[in-house]
Amino acid sequence: DTAVSQTPKYLVTQMGNDKSIKCEQNLGHDTMYWYKQDSKKFLKIMFSYNNKELIINETVPNRFSPKSPDKAHLNLHINSLELGDSAVYFCASREGRETQYFGPGTRLLVL
Amino acid sequence: AQSVTQLDSQVPVFEEAPVELRCNYSSSVSVYLFWYVQYPNQGLQLLLKYLSGSTLVKGINGFEAEFNKSQTSFHLRKPSVHISDTAEYFCAVTGRSYNTDKLIFGTGTRLQVFP
Repeated sequence: DTAVSQTPKYLVTQMGNDKSIKCEQNLGHDTMYWYKQDSKKFLKIMFSYNNKELIINETVPNRFSPKSPDKAHLNLHINSLELGDSAVYFCASREGRETQYFGPGTRLLVL
Repeated sequence: AQSVTQLDSQVPVFEEAPVELRCNYSSSVSVYLFWYVQYPNQGLQLLLKYLSGSTLVKGINGFEAEFNKSQTSFHLRKPSVHISDTAEYFCAVTGRSYNTDKLIFGTGTRLQVFP
């Protein structure tokens, strides 16, 4: 039933670790996104993929690497986690030219 | 490039009162406009969207918004709020041209409904 799903929902880890967040959509959309929501609730785009091809990379540190094995999946791998990476990460997929549907979010806490 | 301004960071209101959450945007191209709601510890849910046609759009949960091109605004309204409407509301814009498909969000408005 779930349109856009993310795992895990919560992630607590130590500084310096490497972690991955997975996203899957069953809507048949071609375009998927990663957004970051900081502690002040501000939402900003990180990446966009269209049919497994990187379209947008918004000056995100190289420690963040998205991977799209197929158009239904867009995963986010983060190397050498830092305290400032603590945030909520949202995956989204786009219907048609304009409407984006969001996943439930992954709450990352780096200690 | 686009930008979005949500003028009110917090809006307190009593239950059953009307509410308006303000959103203004700027863009050098024509836009699509959206309102999303985020309940505590939840994801973003699409409330409504303006793509074209009638400037008054109706969404879920009794919300509506009016697109005003001359004032570059897309204010969200509800005639009578419920306690369950307590949430963070985000206005967002994306350009209509092919290369501007990312959503630009406002900073959010926290709607707090009191009994």
